[in-house]
Amino acid sequence: NAGVTQTPKFHILKIGQSMTLQCTQDMNHNYMYWYRQDPGMGLKLIYYSVGAGITDKGEVPNGYNVSRSTTEDFPLRLELAAPSQTSVYFCASRFGGGQETQYFGPGTRLLVL
Amino acid sequence: AQSVAQPEDQVNVAEGNPLTVKCTYSVSGNPYLFWYVQYPNRGLQFLLKYITGDNLVKGSYGFEAEFNKSQTSFHLKKPSALVSDSALYFCAVRDGDTGGFKTIFGAGTRLFVKA
Repeated sequence: NAGVTQTPKFHILKIGQSMTLQCTQDMNHNYMYWYRQDPGMGLKLIYYSVGAGITDKGEVPNGYNVSRSTTEDFPLRLELAAPSQTSVYFCASRFGGGQETQYFGPGTRLLVL
Repeated sequence: AQSVAQPEDQVNVAEGNPLTVKCTYSVSGNPYLFWYVQYPNRGLQFLLKYITGDNLVKGSYGFEAEFNKSQTSFHLKKPSALVSDSALYFCAVRDGDTGGFKTIFGAGTRLFVKA
């Protein structure tokens, strides 16, 4: 199993541009999450999904969109990038049914200039 | 609303000494509590969790944590620290009754173990 994979590892984006961060898991997990990590701020939940076709907002959803067309993939879309979106983005997944442990991808470092 | 606090930004300990990384939480229902560790340029890795049962939970790499309901704490401990334990540690909580599917993470505590 590759676990949770994320692409790209690093990207520089210009203000106002858009991009999609990719996340794929091969563990057949129902639940998937997107977090952002800012220095000294811990992880903030952006969006999450409890299954294909079902998504919901987390703590900091503004400026982002997600979709979940398959169990495996959970892309995060940034529209009209702003410097405040400079961060490290982590995707995570877990089983449902009482299995609480989340498995994290390696992260995408995004710089918006 | 659920929340978690890690009161120390950094903990310094000498190799071979015991270590404690503190965590307190607030939930209205039953707390599901977690510790994760992050090494440089890596994603978070699960260490241990408390869902129900014994208050003392043992996890990976010799770490353990004690759930204290009266003090709403879930401190991470290890009897003898190793230099390789140096990393960023996150406490997390989910309200098992009302928190839906959201897990809230603390700001993290950086652990430095000196040889």
